[in-house]
Amino acid sequence: DARVTQTPRHKVTEMGQEVTMRCQPILGHNTVFWYRQTMMQGLELLAYFRNRAPLDDSGMPKDRFSAEMPDATLATLKIQPSEPRDSAVYFCASGFPLPGRPYEQYFGPGTRLTVT
Amino acid sequence: GNSVTQMEGPVTLSEEAFLTINCTYTATGYPSLFWYVQYPGEGLQLLLKATKADDKGSNKGFEATYRKETTSFHLEKGSVQVSDSAVYFCALSDDKIIFGKGTRLHILP
Repeated sequence: DARVTQTPRHKVTEMGQEVTMRCQPILGHNTVFWYRQTMMQGLELLAYFRNRAPLDDSGMPKDRFSAEMPDATLATLKIQPSEPRDSAVYFCASGFPLPGRPYEQYFGPGTRLTVT
Repeated sequence: GNSVTQMEGPVTLSEEAFLTINCTYTATGYPSLFWYVQYPGEGLQLLLKATKADDKGSNKGFEATYRKETTSFHLEKGSVQVSDSAVYFCALSDDKIIFGKGTRLHILP
């Protein structure tokens, strides 16, 4: 049963600390997304990659957030320095668009981040 | 640009009631349409999908029909259960997937 995995599942950190979240997309999927979910803002797309290249990171605060794909099996989202307003659940999703086929995304379980 | 609008929640129903969650979309071309569901503490899961006009997606008793003339993809279920309590997201495929804001559903026993 192929799944997107995310680590850690929960992270509590103090303001100013660096936070790194990791995602392993489903093997063979070439498109990876990072989302942030909060009660106030709902689900927000932060960035997405195709074939490891960033396609759109306009949803991401550039001064403190960075997203990378060191290889096809790993995506990372870093926050440095973290702030209390970054507290949210961060989801990774992956997919593989094909012409003429519905383009589905498969979500990981999320990383719940709390910044105190 | 492309967008999705769905009814705001929360929606509260009694068990065995009929459910409709409205969703309309704005898109150029002919996107695929989806409903995703998020149970408490979990990520989003694909519930059903439709790829072209008049297609009906169905799963777990839920149905939605791709209506091009009204640009809608309303979610329906004839008899809801307590276990259906969750947040439901309507979405369409662009180069990425565009999600609506979500509708929280509470089912009372």
